Amino acid sequence: DAGVTQSPTHLIKTRGQQVTLRCSPKSGHDTVSWYQQALGQGPQFIFQYYEEEERQRGNFPDRFSGHQFPNYSSELNVNALLLGDSALYLCASSRGPNQPQHFGDGTRLSIL
Amino acid sequence: AQRVTQPEKLLSVFKGAPVELKCNYSYSGSPELFWYVQYSRQRLQLLLRHISRESIKGFTADLNKGETSFHLKKPFAQEEDSAMYYCALHEAGTALIFGKGTTLSVSS
Repeated sequence: DAGVTQSPTHLIKTRGQQVTLRCSPKSGHDTVSWYQQALGQGPQFIFQYYEEEERQRGNFPDRFSGHQFPNYSSELNVNALLLGDSALYLCASSRGPNQPQHFGDGTRLSIL
Repeated sequence: AQRVTQPEKLLSVFKGAPVELKCNYSYSGSPELFWYVQYSRQRLQLLLRHISRESIKGFTADLNKGETSFHLKKPFAQEEDSAMYYCALHEAGTALIFGKGTTLSVSS
């Protein structure tokens, strides 16, 4: 079992562009959560998807949106990128919304 | 307001010394608390959850509701314990709220 997989590993974008990050959950997991981790900070919760719906959302603007597919994989979309969006984006999956989360390696997003 | 506070950014100890990584939280309900660890070049992984009350790799953590703390302890540190440690609070209806993390450095 490969665990949680995220793609791409690294991404470089410029201000104003849009980006899509992808996540495949661990086998048997149906819930996906996304986090943003800025340098020197702990991960910050963006949102969680369960049963293909956004279940909960952290304090992030509408520029951040997501989707969950029937196979439980998920995408994170960020529009109108800002320099401050540069961070490591982590995906975590769990067997249900309130179960322990397993993390992927993350996608390092750099905005120029 | 900071919901999970890890006051130490860096904790340096010698091999064999006791370790205590501090974590304080702010939550009005019944909290569910976790410790996550990230070793060098590895992904973030769950170390402990308070409801399981188990010892993993010699680490234990007790929830103290009176002091709103969930400190991580190990009686004798090993060099392989060197890593970044995050305390996290699971708030009902959301995912995890993380502290800023503490880097533990164990030297011989």
